[in-house]
Amino acid sequence: GENVEQHPSTLSVQEGDSAVIKCTYSDSASNYFPWYKQELGKGPQLIIDIRSNVGEKKDQRIAVTLNKTAKHFSLHITETQPEDSAVYFCAARTFQGAQKLVFGQGTRLTINP
Amino acid sequence: NAGVTQTPKFQVLKTGQSMTLQCAQDMNHEYMSWYRQDPGMGLRLIHYSVGAGITDQGEVPNGYNVSRSTTEDFPLRLLSAAPSQTSVYFCASSQGGLAEETQYFGPGTRLLVL
Repeated sequence: GENVEQHPSTLSVQEGDSAVIKCTYSDSASNYFPWYKQELGKGPQLIIDIRSNVGEKKDQRIAVTLNKTAKHFSLHITETQPEDSAVYFCAARTFQGAQKLVFGQGTRLTINP
Repeated sequence: NAGVTQTPKFQVLKTGQSMTLQCAQDMNHEYMSWYRQDPGMGLRLIHYSVGAGITDQGEVPNGYNVSRSTTEDFPLRLLSAAPSQTSVYFCASSQGGLAEETQYFGPGTRLLVL
């Protein structure tokens, strides 16, 4: 089935710097890639998503890029702020069996003041 | 709207005990699902439902049962708890397809099985 690998598992950056989280997927038929942010003690919340017909999408300080040939996609956060500290999950939609999302392992991002 | 609510927030069980994790949503969403979250393993789908009266298995369904008698509620049952079921459980709902629309997650239930 679909397999999503996410790296790094932990990331620490200085406030104001950029952070990049990368994911690879195995199912070449996957065409929807969301990113979720999970704050401490809360459930994950969608922050941005991308579909396979575009290569990049931006929303203020957050951007996602997709390379279908290499089967990887990345989350970019610029001008990081303390409130960006959280666990981030990537996911890919699989068509194997019923449509469902397969999540990566998560990245714990810490923004140092 | 309260969104997706889950009860209890925390539960301790002994091996072999049974319990039901409650999930409710007030957004009139057709699709609901249960995930478990374990360190280093992300979120894994346990069961899902595409509407009242319809349920199906996800990636890790063994040891869990679900039912969907109403649009609002989607309880998850552990019939005989095992230590391997120690985890954080999240319920989610979405308006459209399971993997097409934004999924709204509840706050989670932390379960410890001794």
